Amino acid sequence: EVQLVESGGGLVQPGGSLRLSCAASGFTFSSYWMSWVRQAPGKGLEWVANIKQDGSEKYYVDSVKGRFTISRDNAKNSLYLQMNSLRAEDTAVYYCARGGWYSSSPLDYWGQGTLVTVSS
Amino acid sequence: DIQMTQSPSTLSASVGDRVTITCRASQSISSWLAWYQQKPGKAPKLLIYKASSLESGVPSRFSGSGSGTEFTLTISSLQPDDFATYYCQQYNSYSYTFGPGTKVDIK
Repeated sequence: EVQLVESGGGLVQPGGSLRLSCAASGFTFSSYWMSWVRQAPGKGLEWVANIKQDGSEKYYVDSVKGRFTISRDNAKNSLYLQMNSLRAEDTAVYYCARGGWYSSSPLDYWGQGTLVTVSS
Repeated sequence: DIQMTQSPSTLSASVGDRVTITCRASQSISSWLAWYQQKPGKAPKLLIYKASSLESGVPSRFSGSGSGTEFTLTISSLQPDDFATYYCQQYNSYSYTFGPGTKVDIK
């Protein structure tokens, strides 16, 4: 059974940093593109970033470029999102999602999400 | 960047109704479009991929169509479990975009 379990969310002050993790199981993690998607309270879904199987390609939504870094550790079956210079507008539930063998693939499995709150 | 729009933003319907949601892309995305269902407090669930392919385990009352810039999601006979918010998503490029969502509620 495919499982994605996010962790690392919490309350952080504006300008602070946080590192999210996503533990994957039930599939060959190293064979799939992976993404982070967020959802602000009461709002819609926003794709944040994705990463190729070997980590050689990474893409970001404009609003997080230069502040967030996506990475993965295939030996640990884990996906990460390092978030720096956090702003109030980064407050959201962050989901880890599995893509496919190619970047042009839908997100077929999602974690339960972890809440990040940026507030003083 | 590719922008996605959806209409309507809210749809009130009754059990048994046929429901259609429209999604438009700001430029051609071929058939690289997915539809997701999300219920409050839950993660999104993939329903349709490549515009018209039904994800495994999804009831056949859900169907998708379209290509290029205009797409539709149809629920042939709305069931109580289908009251939720629906999002389209383009994955044509390396960066993805979601539509703003369509909430289907009880009439």
